[in-house]
Amino acid sequence: GMPVEQNPPALSLYEGAESGLRCNFSTTMKGVQWFQQNHRGRLITLFYLAQGTKENGRLKSTFNSKERYSTLHIKDAQLEDSGTYFCAVEALNNNAPRFGAGTKLSVKP
Amino acid sequence: ETAVFQTPNYHVTQVGNEVSFNCKQTLGHDTMYWYKQDSKKLLKIMFSYNNKQLIVNETVPRRFSPQSSDKAHLNLRIKSVEPEDSAVYLCASSVLGWNTLYFGAGTRLSVL
Repeated sequence: GMPVEQNPPALSLYEGAESGLRCNFSTTMKGVQWFQQNHRGRLITLFYLAQGTKENGRLKSTFNSKERYSTLHIKDAQLEDSGTYFCAVEALNNNAPRFGAGTKLSVKP
Repeated sequence: ETAVFQTPNYHVTQVGNEVSFNCKQTLGHDTMYWYKQDSKKLLKIMFSYNNKQLIVNETVPRRFSPQSSDKAHLNLRIKSVEPEDSAVYLCASSVLGWNTLYFGAGTRLSVL
């Protein structure tokens, strides 16, 4: 398969802090999707991007197909943001989205 | 809102048994997928179907076989389970050409 790399593997934030997660890929992609997997294991869609930037509340994501990366920025972190964040990407000639290994986020009071 | 339904939620079985997992989506999507999430939380694509036709078949052991009766259903059968099959199996769907993946809640398989 094609490598999809997520950084950092783990991240710890205090409530109210902000930080960014990154997803790097080795070839041109159709799009990227970001998920949060909560403590119950449910994969919750945060964003799908085919280009540019999207924002939703405290979350913002960008997709740079040319530079081959995507970012997810979280501001004003809350306890419920804890979980594992995955990016999934699909190459132009591929048929199924592939996942990075995830970033485990812990938000502390 | 849940629109991809998986059954069962959990299944415990012994080595060598056969198991079958069901997945149904009510979104009207053309494409369905099975992913395996292992104990390290790595998510790997196993199969992808588009309108009942197999389009992606990753390198999975032959004891795994997907079954699709129509574009809304994609089941997964495992003949003769092995200990390494213990994992969470996640079903997803999307419109043709991807756009957004919608996941079910998963089936956790434990092989004793």
